[in-house]
Amino acid sequence: AQTVTQSQPEMSVQEAETVTLSCTYDTSENNYYLFWYKQPPSRQMILVIRQEAYKQQNATENRFSVNFQKAAKSFSLKISDSQLGDTAMYFCAFMKSHSGGSNYKLTFGKGTLLTVNP
Amino acid sequence: GAGVSQSPSNKVTEKGKDVELRCDPISGHTALYWYRQSLGQGLEFLIYFQGNSAPDKSGLPSDRFSAERTGGSVSTLTIQRTQQEDSAVYLCASSYGARELFFGEGSRLTVL
Repeated sequence: AQTVTQSQPEMSVQEAETVTLSCTYDTSENNYYLFWYKQPPSRQMILVIRQEAYKQQNATENRFSVNFQKAAKSFSLKISDSQLGDTAMYFCAFMKSHSGGSNYKLTFGKGTLLTVNP
Repeated sequence: GAGVSQSPSNKVTEKGKDVELRCDPISGHTALYWYRQSLGQGLEFLIYFQGNSAPDKSGLPSDRFSAERTGGSVSTLTIQRTQQEDSAVYLCASSYGARELFFGEGSRLTVL
């Protein structure tokens, strides 16, 4: 079974600064997908960024980027120029890629609560 | 609608009663997921439907929990004889293949 570990239950950062959230995972699979989701106080889960394991290039979405280290099974999220609206719970998630199959179950970490301070 | 719709938004029930939670996924999405989120906890996988395949029920915590998906669209999660430990937010999500999961706003269940 796959496991996803987020070792930082809570973090804080000053507005406009950069913060990195850690995520490690355990799998014997070679092909898979990794995600970062954001859950603000409104409760709505929103996709932040997605990475395919076969791609060596790190995914980037505006102020959000990842550092994907496949050998180390590490998938950290960097938020640049932090904004007050970035305050949320952030979840790292793993999805196997089943060749010829169709089971795309998503396994989540326990989350990191990020607070951006003014 | 444009997004995943869940109802009710909030449900308060008495211990021992049955509850039904509904999820209306995004039109055309073949996959539908149910997760449970307890206070201070991550997301616990419950059940996954993919097209016409048999659902993956490996996350259902007990036989009091069941779910169905009718016509490959709307899904209902049923909890029988509710217990206080069932209190949580139940999140539904849908997707098309190995792509982004789109989540609903969840149904908050409180068992007194």
